[in-house]
Amino acid sequence: VQLLESGGAWVQPGGSLRLSCAVSGFTLRSYDMYWVRQAPGKGLEWVSGISSSGDSTNYADSVKGRFTVSRDNSKNTLYLQMHSLRAEDTAVYYCAKPCGGSCIDHWGQGTLVTVSP
Amino acid sequence: QSALTQPRSVSASPGQSVTISCTGTSSVFGGYNSVSWFQQHPGNVPKIIIYDVTKRPSGVPDRFSGSKSGNTASLTISGLQAEDEGDYYCCSYAGTYTLIFGGGTKLTVL
Repeated sequence: VQLLESGGAWVQPGGSLRLSCAVSGFTLRSYDMYWVRQAPGKGLEWVSGISSSGDSTNYADSVKGRFTVSRDNSKNTLYLQMHSLRAEDTAVYYCAKPCGGSCIDHWGQGTLVTVSP
Repeated sequence: QSALTQPRSVSASPGQSVTISCTGTSSVFGGYNSVSWFQQHPGNVPKIIIYDVTKRPSGVPDRFSGSKSGNTASLTISGLQAEDEGDYYCCSYAGTYTLIFGGGTKLTVL
């Protein structure tokens, strides 16, 4: 099982980025998926979750209305579209594969998003 | 401020036991009884060590154990070893693809 995030970069406040998470070693369409972030020196924060089919999503209040999670199961890829980025969005963003409930058995290596002037 | 409250830090000597608490509300824990604990060493991704309150994934030593009473989940590490030093996070499933993480606890092995 591998999860490989990409798309992290430095961006100015108000900018946009799209993160991707390419997975292998398991059938993406069989799993709900999560995005979790970790600001420098801080704790883990759940960002978004998406159902296995992509029909249902949920977001942390801190990103609701600005971030959109999606997936292309045919491409084995998960996405996180981020708009109106703020300094407080600076973090390493992980995609994560759940193993039921709050159990996460595989994490990507993370991709760093830096929002600053 | 996280909806799951953990002590910022705990410490103990090698060979001793340490317990990390994770306190929330009934709405945070919901009716799923799905609490996990993650260990994170500096520069590494989190690693699951307890799921479904008490279950250990294969490969995790039985020195790690989880429990829950009321609105407080706990992680106990017995026979503390130097490599146990790191950050520990509790996490609850709150329904509708939502996770709630605790603020994290830094474990220092003296």
